Amino acid sequence: AQTVTQSQPEMSVQEAETVTLSCTYDTSESDYYLFWYKQPPSRQMILVIRQEAYKQQNATENRFSVNFQKAAKSFSLKISDSQLGDAAMYFCAYRSGQGAQKLVFGQGTRLTINP
Amino acid sequence: DGGITQSPKYLFRKEGQNVTLSCEQNLNHDAMYWYRQDPGQGLRLIYYSQIVNDFQKGDIAEGYSVSREKKESFPLTVTSAQKNPTAFYLCASTPLGGRGAQPQHFGDGTRLSIL
Repeated sequence: AQTVTQSQPEMSVQEAETVTLSCTYDTSESDYYLFWYKQPPSRQMILVIRQEAYKQQNATENRFSVNFQKAAKSFSLKISDSQLGDAAMYFCAYRSGQGAQKLVFGQGTRLTINP
Repeated sequence: DGGITQSPKYLFRKEGQNVTLSCEQNLNHDAMYWYRQDPGQGLRLIYYSQIVNDFQKGDIAEGYSVSREKKESFPLTVTSAQKNPTAFYLCASTPLGGRGAQPQHFGDGTRLSIL
């Protein structure tokens, strides 16, 4: 079974600075997808960014980018120019390329933005 | 606007009582999912369904039941057999098929507590 590990329960960053959240996963599959979701205090789950394993190019969405290292099974999220609205729980998630598209989530990282 | 509606937002259960959480989507998505979120933990899969009148157990299905009589609806019943039901419950959906990292879309959740 696949597992996802987020080794940083909490992180903090100064407003306007850059922060990187770590995620590692374990799988024997070659076809899969990876996601970062954000959960603010409202508890909505909001998609931040997605990555297809077959793509070597790292995904980017405005201030959010990933460092996808397939061989190392690492999928870190970089947030540039941090804003107060970025404060939330961040979850890394894995989805197999086959089957029912179930998501396997990490334990989450709570990100605090210091003004 | 299309989306996923979960109701109620808050729910209280008495000992020995079954309660049902509603999940409705108007996104025309094939697959629907139920997740449980406990404090300090990521989301864990309870049940999922890829097609009407069919569903499969997830990782923590004991004490829960579901039905999928309509494509739009995927209610979750928390039975009296679930001894620790206090948690935040999230429903999600996604289209099936096609290439690419189709994300799951989430409802706003239901918080269930024991009286």
